Amino acid sequence: ETGVTQTPRHLVMGMTNKKSLKCEQHLGHNAMYWYKQSAKKPLELMFVYNFKEQTENNSVPSRFSPECPNSSHLFLHLHTLQPEDSALYLCASSQDPVSRDAGRFKEKLFFGSGTQLSVL
Amino acid sequence: ELKVEQNPLFLSMQEGKNYTIYCNYSTTSDRLYWYRQDPGKSLESLFVLLSNGAVKQEGRLMASLDTKARLSTLHITAAVHDLSATYFCAVPWFQGAQKLVFGQGTRLTINP
Repeated sequence: ETGVTQTPRHLVMGMTNKKSLKCEQHLGHNAMYWYKQSAKKPLELMFVYNFKEQTENNSVPSRFSPECPNSSHLFLHLHTLQPEDSALYLCASSQDPVSRDAGRFKEKLFFGSGTQLSVL
Repeated sequence: ELKVEQNPLFLSMQEGKNYTIYCNYSTTSDRLYWYRQDPGKSLESLFVLLSNGAVKQEGRLMASLDTKARLSTLHITAAVHDLSATYFCAVPWFQGAQKLVFGQGTRLTINP
């Protein structure tokens, strides 16, 4: 148990469906992340939220819509996905990535168990 | 931009053998992380290496860091099947905020 909980663990959806992935962290961290992991590109950073504000969007298609209502919760809303979007989606959190205090590894990531998504 | 490269990307070995995974990175960093991922599972933190010459060991795994060479190694001693997994190294990079840049991962398969 890493303190980062993701639901659901598995999701199968059609291309016309709308679904959401949920992530919750119980570590008191300030930053949360969405990663996509597929066979073609092992670990891709999608979005970063720091203190609820989105600080990074790595050219992710608009069919993926993140939401971060507070520092403990992160959602990824999915709509009109394509089969190539099938992948493992990982949520992670870190303590305080803005600080450059090297001695306390504030950038260390703690990952959730992931959601295995299949788009039919 | 920071680039992190691992080699090999795939490694199949027999139980009882020794091997090393290499992680090279392109810009200066004084620390490095190693993660393990079992198939279909999440990433689990293995080691945090904090300075030049740092060495960490747990069981049959030993990690080291040479910041001057921008190189970290993960050495496996007398491999056992339970160590089969994908191993990632990650290096911090500050660009407005600190983030971890991951290598491609090394998929390790240990055969009986």
